[in-house]
Amino acid sequence: AQSVTQLGSHVSVSEGALVLLRCNYSSSVPPYLFWYVQYPNQGLQLLLKYTTGATLVKGINGFEAEFKKSETSFHLTKPSAHMSDAAEYFCAVSHFTGRRALTFGSGTRLQVQP
Amino acid sequence: DSGVTQTPKHLITATGQRVTLRCSPRSGDLSVYWYQQSLDQGLQFLIQYYNGEERAKGNILERFSAQQFPDLHSELNLSSLELGDSALYFCASSGYSDTGELFFGEGSRLTVL
Repeated sequence: AQSVTQLGSHVSVSEGALVLLRCNYSSSVPPYLFWYVQYPNQGLQLLLKYTTGATLVKGINGFEAEFKKSETSFHLTKPSAHMSDAAEYFCAVSHFTGRRALTFGSGTRLQVQP
Repeated sequence: DSGVTQTPKHLITATGQRVTLRCSPRSGDLSVYWYQQSLDQGLQFLIQYYNGEERAKGNILERFSAQQFPDLHSELNLSSLELGDSALYFCASSGYSDTGELFFGEGSRLTVL
């Protein structure tokens, strides 16, 4: 079985500050890891994903995440927050290619203060 | 725009009723997934279909059922509705050779009164 834990249901940062959203996973086999973002009244949009290869992955809107196997973590970061980054962020895990449902964490709501 | 279309966007109904939610996947995607998003349960996987056949089941209630048609669109049927079924229902699709990424529709918001 696989699972995802997102530490912190709410994170608040100032505009221009570092964004750090934490995700830890549990998987009995090498995982595929994803971050999705959900803006109000919208569906989920993929930010970035890790499958194999380079452990530091870059996504859209300046976000990046690093896969750390030893720590079973896949934390999401952005050097400088923008007001437009305010949204809910979900970490997800899968361990088969295609045709398999993702298991999502409980989400972290990011607030960006002016 | 993810390419996944869901209808209706909003639906209000009464307890005990039955509703059908519809999903059209991205062009060429054979897999369709249904998720339920509620405040207390988060994003819960309900069921997956691949090319018309059920592939995986998650936390789907017996009152709920789904199917995928030959044209690959899918329907989620919710019956004997209860107040607790009020939620956002998402459909997602994926292709055959991708690396697990799901493409989500904008969801159908169901309110049971």
